[in-house]
Amino acid sequence: SAVISQKPSRDICQRGTSLTIQCQVDSQVTMMFWYRQQPGQSLTLIATANQGSEATYESGFVIDKFPISRPNLTFSTLTVSNMSPEDSSIYLCSVDRQNTDTQYFGPGTRLTVL
Amino acid sequence: AQKVTQAQTEISVVEKEDVTLDCVYETRDTTYYLFWYKQPPSGELVFLIRRNSFDEQNEISGRYSWNFQKSTSSFNFTITASQVVDSAVYFCALSEADSGAGSYQLTFGKGTKLSVIP
Repeated sequence: SAVISQKPSRDICQRGTSLTIQCQVDSQVTMMFWYRQQPGQSLTLIATANQGSEATYESGFVIDKFPISRPNLTFSTLTVSNMSPEDSSIYLCSVDRQNTDTQYFGPGTRLTVL
Repeated sequence: AQKVTQAQTEISVVEKEDVTLDCVYETRDTTYYLFWYKQPPSGELVFLIRRNSFDEQNEISGRYSWNFQKSTSSFNFTITASQVVDSAVYFCALSEADSGAGSYQLTFGKGTKLSVIP
């Protein structure tokens, strides 16, 4: 399985601010995925990030709110912009390492917006 | 459209009891993958198993076993002799083999929270 790290592991932020979450993988991967898990809920895919191209966003998620960068094959960032308490969630990145058709997840970033 | 249903929201068992977590799925694809993930209180999502739609063999891994039945569109997960460390939320998920976008997407069920009481 892939070794995936995320920073920060958790944060408490004020309404109206932005937070950038980092996802680092220990090997090169083609696709990286970003998910949101609201309290007590299941996971929802935010976007798919391919290196060298713009991220593909799912219905209900827009680039202005969740800009994503993918500068190389081992790293991606997700920014949660102009946060409100409704953005309080766990944000997880995942990768399909070695094209196994299996997504492995990072440890998640637990975000609380006050 | 694909859909995954985990009808059991929460289950509590006493340690050493066996427990089965149900998963029912819907898909129009003939080729797909089914998954189980475990999410302990720490929040990390841990991959447990992947099953290809063409492989209906049941699988056993230690105290874990999985029963895949295409006839009933179910992929149930049984923990034998449960332990306190099994307490977590368990998610069943489905992906179509080719979403047409050069990638595949995971559809998750709502999860089943398992509490194992000592």
